[in-house]
Amino acid sequence: EIVMTQTPLSSPVTLGQPASISCRSSQSLVHSDGNTYLSWLQQRPGQPPRLIIYKISNRFSGVPDRFSGSGAGTDFTLKISRVEADDVGIYYCMQATEFPRTFGQGTKVEIK
Amino acid sequence: EFQVVESGGALVQSGGSLRLSCAASGFIFDMYTMNWVRQAPGKGLEWIAHFGFSSNAIHYADSVKGRFTISRDNVKNSLYLQMDSLRTEDTAVYYCVRGLTAFDSWGPGALVTVSS
Repeated sequence: EIVMTQTPLSSPVTLGQPASISCRSSQSLVHSDGNTYLSWLQQRPGQPPRLIIYKISNRFSGVPDRFSGSGAGTDFTLKISRVEADDVGIYYCMQATEFPRTFGQGTKVEIK
Repeated sequence: EFQVVESGGALVQSGGSLRLSCAASGFIFDMYTMNWVRQAPGKGLEWIAHFGFSSNAIHYADSVKGRFTISRDNVKNSLYLQMDSLRTEDTAVYYCVRGLTAFDSWGPGALVTVSS
C-alpha cells in the first residue's frame, strides 16, 4: 500500500497570505500509462470533501485560480496564493495510481 | 448537474448487517467507475471499495474485504454497499464517490453507527 504523508498537519494563516501544504508518497505515483494520479481534496467544516486539483496540477471545474498544485514522483505541493475565509477546512492529498487508493492524514487550514 | 446521494445509514448492533444505496443522477452512470469512501468521527478519509466497468474490476480495502460487498445496477443508476459482520470500528460516514483516477463527485454521506 502507498502511504501518503502530509505536512504540516495544521496551518494557521493570516487572511490574504499564502499557504502551502506538502504531500509525500512512499513510492512513485507515476502510473504505467505515464500519468501521475495525485489529487487534492478540500473538506469544509460539516461538508463532504470536494475535488480541487487532479493529476498534480489541474484545477477542477469552478476552483479559483488561487489554488495551484505542483510536484512530481513522490513529492507534491498544494499552494493557496492568498487565503480567504472560504478556504478554511481540511485538505487531503490522494493517490489513485494503484489500489488501494490512499489519502494523506489531512492538513487543517485555519485563520489566525 | 450531476450528483450522487446516499441512503440507508442507521444504528446497528455489532455483528449485524446493513445495506447502503447511492442514487446517481445527471450523468451517464455506466460510463463511470464508482467508489465508497468512509470517514470515522473526527478522523480522515478511508477508501474502502471500487466498482469498475465490470464485475471483474472490483477492489476492496483489506479492512473490509470478506465482510463488505460492492455492487451496482446500471439500469437503476445505483451503487450499493452490503455490509456484514459489522464492527464498532466500522462506525463512520460513508460517501458514495464517482471516479477512477480522481474523485470528482461526492455525496453528502450516510452515517452508520455500530454499537457494541
